[in-house]
Order: sequence, then structure tokens, then C-alpha cells
Amino acid sequence: EIVMTQSPATLSVSPGEGVTLSCRASQSVRSNLAWYQQTPGQAPRLLIYGASTRATGIPVRFRGSGSGTEFTLTISSLQSEDFAIYYCQQYDNWPLAWTFGQGTKVEIK
Amino acid sequence: QVQLVQSGAEVKKSGASVKVSCQTSGYPFDIYGITWVRQAPGKGLEWMGWISGYNGNTNYAPKFRNRFTMTTDTSTRTGYMELKNLGSDDTAVYYCARTPVADYYFDHWGQGTLVTVSS
Repeated sequence: EIVMTQSPATLSVSPGEGVTLSCRASQSVRSNLAWYQQTPGQAPRLLIYGASTRATGIPVRFRGSGSGTEFTLTISSLQSEDFAIYYCQQYDNWPLAWTFGQGTKVEIK
Repeated sequence: QVQLVQSGAEVKKSGASVKVSCQTSGYPFDIYGITWVRQAPGKGLEWMGWISGYNGNTNYAPKFRNRFTMTTDTSTRTGYMELKNLGSDDTAVYYCARTPVADYYFDHWGQGTLVTVSS
């Protein structure tokens, strides 16, 4: 199973600031990586797929990058609705398990 | 618009089984799959399995392979998951999610179904 490790576990940020979240895979997943946002009590929402393609309706302040084993999600100028938990997910190794990272919580400083 | 609507919350005893449905609309059912993901209280997301809306092919997470079954009913555009021999650690919110063919990310999600297992 490919293990996805996200860092840091928590980020404390002020509104308007930018932030970078990291996700590392235990082996290469090429560009088969997605990012999701989850707010309390809600289902996750797809932000990025293919490591860098924004999903429909996702604002341009969300940017994904990376390939292989190292990935980042950058959020420029955090808005109030961006304070949430962010998960990465690899979907490279068919037909084996697709796996999520443990999540990074972005909280208000 | 794309919608996935799940069945309501369930309370089950240890050792019992639970079946959750996921009614879809707003897209061609047979060119997408349905993925099941669960989230224990206060924990992260855990992938459980995927089923094709086209031919019913499945891919199960090894952890669940022995007691987890996914099915679809193409006539009603509905996906189903059944988890058997429930234990307290199966208490979680269970989500279904639409999954594009050959690109296995999850682009639309159901609202989630809380399954509570009590002894």
C-alpha cells in the first residue's frame, strides 16, 4: 500500500495570508494525486486532480503542483471559507488500494 | 446537476450488517464509477472500494475485502454498499462519491450516512 504523509498536521494562519501544504507519497504516484477540502459536518470537496488541475468551480487561489512523490497545495490569500481540513489522495496503483493522507488542518490564527 | 443522495442514518448492534444506498442523478450512470469512503468520528478519510457503473467491476480495499460488498442497480441509478459483522470501530460516516473512468479521483460526493454500532 502506498502511504501518503501530509505536513504539517496543523497550520495557524491569518485571513489574507498565503499557505503551502505538503503531501509525500511512499513511492511514485506520477501525477495521479488529488486534493480535497472538508469543512466541519460536510462531505469532502474535490479541489485539484491530476496534481495540478483545478476542479470545476474552484477559485484560482488554489494551486496544486508536484509529481512523483512530492506534492504541494498552495492557497494564496486565505478567505474565511478556506479554513478547513485538506486531504491528499493518490489513485495511481490500480487495482490496489487508493489512499488518503491523514489531513492538514488550516485554522485561524 | 450532479447529485448523489444517500440513505439515512443507521444504528446497528455488534455483529449485524448494514446496507447503505446512494441514489445518483444528473449524469450518465454507466460512464462513471462509485467509490465508497468512510470517516470515523474525528478521524481522516478511509477508502473502502470502487464499483464500475458500466459493468459492475469492483476494486476492494484489502482491509474490507472479506466483509464488504458493493453493488449497483443501473435501472434506478443507485449504488449500494453492505458491511457485515459490524464492530464498534465501524462507527463512521460512510460516503459515496462519483469517480471518473480510468481517473480515480472523487469529483462529487453524497451527503454521508452515519452508521453507529453499539454493543
